[in-house]
Amino acid sequence: DAGVIQSPRHEVTEMGQEVTLRCKPISGHDYLFWYRQTMMRGLELLIYFNNNVPIDDSGMPEDRFSAKMPNASFSTLKIQPSEPRDSAVYFCASRLTGNSGNTIYFGEGSWLTVV
Amino acid sequence: GNSVTQMEGPVTLSEEAFLTINCTYTATGYPSLFWYVQYPGEGLQLLLKATKADDKGSNKGFEATYRKETTSFHLEKGSVQVSDSAVYFCALSDSGGGADGLTFGKGTHLIIQP
Repeated sequence: DAGVIQSPRHEVTEMGQEVTLRCKPISGHDYLFWYRQTMMRGLELLIYFNNNVPIDDSGMPEDRFSAKMPNASFSTLKIQPSEPRDSAVYFCASRLTGNSGNTIYFGEGSWLTVV
Repeated sequence: GNSVTQMEGPVTLSEEAFLTINCTYTATGYPSLFWYVQYPGEGLQLLLKATKADDKGSNKGFEATYRKETTSFHLEKGSVQVSDSAVYFCALSDSGGGADGLTFGKGTHLIIQP
């Protein structure tokens, strides 16, 4: 089975530009998570969805960040406008309710650099 | 709230040395515990897990035992290899919290020298 698929893998953009990160969760998984990883703050949960519905977005840093999940096989994380401090690795992850231990499976990450 | 504490490193060892990376946790419910590994330039991969007290998770020569009495889940390997160089994350999923994402430790950077 394919794992969690993220795109783009790497993006370099200029400050002020809009950035859209994409994620395809594992087929059949009912939870989708967006995490951000930085050297300073480690791994942070930004937002998660259950059955395409946002459940908790308290980790979203500010209004410049938004996330959507229009269907069970696709989600986006958008930053508009982007700032240099948004430079980080953004991970998408998914999970199936009832799996042993609530294991979460991660994508390869989107490595974002804002200059 | 939930939290995970692990030694941050970097931890530098010689090949074939014995490895221990300590991890302790606090949780409101009865968590499942995980170790994830992140190789350079890659995403997080599940290394092993344990879902209840006294369970031992194991994979690729790594082991960790869920110790409820000491709230610990230390990662061990008897003989490390250069290819084990990576960042290791301890994490918990609190079943009492339902659908929350994982709570991660800050990660331990492991460097294995030939």
